[in-house]
Amino acid sequence: DAGVTQSPTHLIKTRGQHVTLRCSPISGHKSVSWYQQVLGQGPQFIFQYYEKEERGRGNFPDRFSARQFPNYSSELNVNALLLGDSALYLCASSQDAGTAQETQYFGPGTRLLVL
Amino acid sequence: LAKTTQPISMDSYEGQEVNITCSHNNIATNDYITWYQQFPSQGPRFIIQGYKTKVTNEVASLFIPADRKSSTLSLPRVSLSDTAVYYCLVAPFSGGYNKLIFGAGTRLAVHP
Repeated sequence: DAGVTQSPTHLIKTRGQHVTLRCSPISGHKSVSWYQQVLGQGPQFIFQYYEKEERGRGNFPDRFSARQFPNYSSELNVNALLLGDSALYLCASSQDAGTAQETQYFGPGTRLLVL
Repeated sequence: LAKTTQPISMDSYEGQEVNITCSHNNIATNDYITWYQQFPSQGPRFIIQGYKTKVTNEVASLFIPADRKSSTLSLPRVSLSDTAVYYCLVAPFSGGYNKLIFGAGTRLAVHP
């Protein structure tokens, strides 16, 4: 079975631009979460979506938004990019919304560089 | 939210057993302890999860003492491919993934 897939793998943008990152969960998984991982740090939670509804939001500005589609795939959008948005963006899927005790399966990430 | 503390880095040699200890002094009654492994330029991968005493799977063992204020991830006979960052997390029973806090992790380097 295919794991979590993300696209693109790498992306270079300039300050002020907009970016859209995409994620396809494992087949049968209904929950998708997004994380930002800055070099040398652990992943930081951004959003969780379940059945197209937002179930959780981390401490990120409104420039960050996301949505989930009927096929459970998801998009993360970031507007007005800043240099500090340069990071590895990770998508993770889980079977249900459940609790944080449910295992998440992470994709390989999208490496975003903002110049 | 229960905060975790683990060593920043560890070194080992192939074939040795590696034990990474994590402290979580304010763990709540229904919280679980979860460990993830991350290789460079990849997403984290679930290793093991436990509540108390000992849990073992094909990859690792997790030892949790009775007071649950710490836990130890044990990797038997490590190889070069076990070089990675290991994250200890406390997973609460209530709330979603916004309650799951990844720290900086422990960077394990396995040498020939």
